[in-house]
Amino acid sequence: DTGVSQDPRHKITKRGQNVTFRCDPISEHNRLYWYRQTLGQGPEFLTYFQNEAQLEKSRLLSDRFSAERPKGSFSTLEIQRTEQGDSAMYLCASSLGSGEYQETQYFGPGTRLLVL
Amino acid sequence: GNSVTQMEGPVTLSEEAFLTINCTYTATGYPSLFWYVQYPGEGLQLLLKATKADDKGSNKGFEATYRKETTSFHLEKGSVQVSDSAVYFCALSAPNTGNQFYFGTGTSLTVIP
Repeated sequence: DTGVSQDPRHKITKRGQNVTFRCDPISEHNRLYWYRQTLGQGPEFLTYFQNEAQLEKSRLLSDRFSAERPKGSFSTLEIQRTEQGDSAMYLCASSLGSGEYQETQYFGPGTRLLVL
Repeated sequence: GNSVTQMEGPVTLSEEAFLTINCTYTATGYPSLFWYVQYPGEGLQLLLKATKADDKGSNKGFEATYRKETTSFHLEKGSVQVSDSAVYFCALSAPNTGNQFYFGTGTSLTVIP
């Protein structure tokens, strides 16, 4: 049973560069979520997909952020023109269900981004 | 709105001590409540959950009871081990909010032999 995987695990970039992260959810899961976690804080919701449709985006997701899930399987999160304030752990989670809020979300190990 | 408040850490306990980590919430409607654990260098793992009032979630000796009257979901363990050292997050998921989770800030636990 493979869990949620994320790639890369670590990314160091210079301010102004673009970065892209990938998330592979548990294979049968139809819902996929992105969160951001800064040091000493809990994860904060960014966006989620049901199959290939992006159903909700947080106000935290500025115009520089874009997420896709083109075939309803893996997802990518791109940050354009990175800023130092983007430095954080980016977490992906997935769940299986029909939209009931009792669903458990299964988290990946995260991608730690450092913007210099 | 929806939010979770956790007791601040860090918490340091001796092995076999009793653990309580407080968690209270505010939510629209009747949320589901979760405890996740994050071991050093690893991702968040579900520890336990409860989906309705008076439910008790339990796993690995940890327990938490969904108390609607006090809007609480405190995590307890009767006898902690060194291997329980981790960061613990309380979270909720509420109806009509797109299934997003709302997390507390986390409580770091260190258990010393």
